[in-house]
Amino acid sequence: SQQGEEDPQALSIQEGENATMNCSYKTSINNLQWYRQNSGRGLVHLILIRSNEREKHSGRLRVTLDTSKKSSSLLITASRAADTASYYCARPQGGSEKLVFGKGTKLTVNP
Amino acid sequence: DAGITQSPRHKVTETGTPVTLRCHQTENHRYMYWYRQDPGHGLRLIHYSYGVKDTDKGEVSDGYSVSRSKTEDFLLTLESATSSQTSVYFCAIGGGTDSNQPQHFGDGTRLSIL
Repeated sequence: SQQGEEDPQALSIQEGENATMNCSYKTSINNLQWYRQNSGRGLVHLILIRSNEREKHSGRLRVTLDTSKKSSSLLITASRAADTASYYCARPQGGSEKLVFGKGTKLTVNP
Repeated sequence: DAGITQSPRHKVTETGTPVTLRCHQTENHRYMYWYRQDPGHGLRLIHYSYGVKDTDKGEVSDGYSVSRSKTEDFLLTLESATSSQTSVYFCAIGGGTDSNQPQHFGDGTRLSIL
């Protein structure tokens, strides 16, 4: 499979804690993208990190990329119940128009 | 939110019937995509379009056809629906050959084939 792999598949934490999700992939990439999906909704783009970037921030989100290890992580700090969702990493397939998605991490933040 | 509307939002139909799902965008994006989402498989690309009348296959295109006669509309057709095509279908716009652009998704169509 060319899909990225998220780890863990599911994560349950308390409000205020940090949540870390990881994504591994097998081939070289131009960029790696993270998306969130709330129940019953479409995916929402969170952060795109390019292959020459190591870290990127957006509010309480921090994404890192290690191209030597072919892995990325998404950190959500000070989580809230509203962060409960599934999180997916995706990468362009061979630099093409197509995105390849991982199977996601289901995050539950308990109030 | 990106201006993407999928219709219908829910549909129940019988095996062997034709089904057409519509994706309408107001963003004038050149690229549009159809995905299906199933438990254990994540999101998989069915077909995509890179312009009016220009389409190409994705990972799971068998049993599906698409058409794009206008920039704003991308139709997905199941010519003869099967139970294995029960899924949630998502349309997306954006991305493209400048792969450093993200995609933006509609809210999906939940299709059940009995």
